[in-house]
Amino acid sequence: AQTVTQSQPEMSVQEAETVTLSCTYDTSESDYYLFWYKQPPSRQMILVIRQEAYKQQNATENRFSVNFQKAAKSFSLKISDSQLGDAAMYFCAYRSGGAQKLVFGQGTRLTINP
Amino acid sequence: DTGVSQDPRHKITKRGQNVTFRCDPISEHNRLYWYRQTLGQGPEFLTYFQNEAQLEKSRLLSDRFSAERPKGSFSTLEIQRTEQGDSAMYLCASSGGQGKNTEAFFGQGTRLTVV
Repeated sequence: AQTVTQSQPEMSVQEAETVTLSCTYDTSESDYYLFWYKQPPSRQMILVIRQEAYKQQNATENRFSVNFQKAAKSFSLKISDSQLGDAAMYFCAYRSGGAQKLVFGQGTRLTINP
Repeated sequence: DTGVSQDPRHKITKRGQNVTFRCDPISEHNRLYWYRQTLGQGPEFLTYFQNEAQLEKSRLLSDRFSAERPKGSFSTLEIQRTEQGDSAMYLCASSGGQGKNTEAFFGQGTRLTVV
């Protein structure tokens, strides 16, 4: 079974600084997708960024980018120019190419210090 | 369309009672998912529907849990004889479109407290 591990329960960063959240995963499959979801307090989870395993180029969405190391099974999220609105729980998730369900990590609580 | 809607947002029930939650997905989405999230943890998959067919169920979904999507639109999740361990946030998500690269949209969840 696939597993996703987020080793940082909490992270904090100063506003306008850069922070990197770590994620590792375990799979024997070659066709899969990786995601970072953001869950603000009392609000629904929203997709931040996704990466297809077959793509070598790291995904980027505005201030959010990933470092996808397929051989190391690592998928970290970098948030540049952190803003107060970035404060939330961040979940790394895996989905097999042949399946629909998401497998989530334990989450990292990100605090932005003004 | 305002996204995935879940009702109620909060439910407090006594141990042993039955509860039912409702999820209304984004209208054009044919896939619907239920997840359970306990405090401080990531969501765990419970079950998945494509249209009205329940295609996958987790081992977490004991025989006290049942989910339906009778007309391929809204879905209900029922928990019978609730236990304190059932206390959690129950999340619904939906997705649509062809191909494998589809995004799941989540609702705000129903927080269940069993006392």
